[in-house]
Amino acid sequence: DGGITQSPKYLFRKEGQNVTLSCEQNLNHDAMYWYRQDPGQGLRLIYYSQIVNDFQKGDIAEGYSVSREKKESFPLTVTSAQKNPTAFYLCASTFDTTGNIQYFGAGTRLSVL
Amino acid sequence: EDQVTQSPEALRLQEGESSSLNCSYTVSGLRGLFWYRQDPGKGPEFLFTLYSAGEEKEKERLKATLTKKESFLHITAPKPEDSATYLCAVRTPNTGNQFYFGTGTSLTVIP
Repeated sequence: DGGITQSPKYLFRKEGQNVTLSCEQNLNHDAMYWYRQDPGQGLRLIYYSQIVNDFQKGDIAEGYSVSREKKESFPLTVTSAQKNPTAFYLCASTFDTTGNIQYFGAGTRLSVL
Repeated sequence: EDQVTQSPEALRLQEGESSSLNCSYTVSGLRGLFWYRQDPGKGPEFLFTLYSAGEEKEKERLKATLTKKESFLHITAPKPEDSATYLCAVRTPNTGNQFYFGTGTSLTVIP
């Protein structure tokens, strides 16, 4: 079945540590997105990528980094500069930048030890 | 400034008790309004896309409508399995063709 796979489902970060969240899709979609979801808030865009080797900052990119070396993969690194990383992280994709159906992964819940 | 506001924040219904969720928006141009369903601890699942005022779409017990200022998600005779958070999102030229989400309505349907 085609879809988006996020791993791990749960992740714990120690103080000063960088952690990487994985996002893989087999939908042959060009555009991929990372969102952060906090209780009582809507999904907020961290980074997005329209094509391989290209990505743009969203509204809350500080303390995060991404790469897009392959069409299928869009990993997100939460760096030690992100002082409040505890949240639910969602990866999504659309066929292209004008595609209107956004498909989501199951999410990764990140907590701080 | 573009805004998307959903109301109510939470809604409890008895099974079979129909109601509506609201998504109001103030944006400069609309390239689409989207409804998603999100179950606890899971990613959102796409429900509907609406593009222009007067448009309606239906799926089982759900019906989405759109005016120039708001969208409604009507739930007819809900069942407990309809319990979830319903998210609304918009796309506008001002958001660089990206999706801008509301905070959602948490629906609980009591048997």
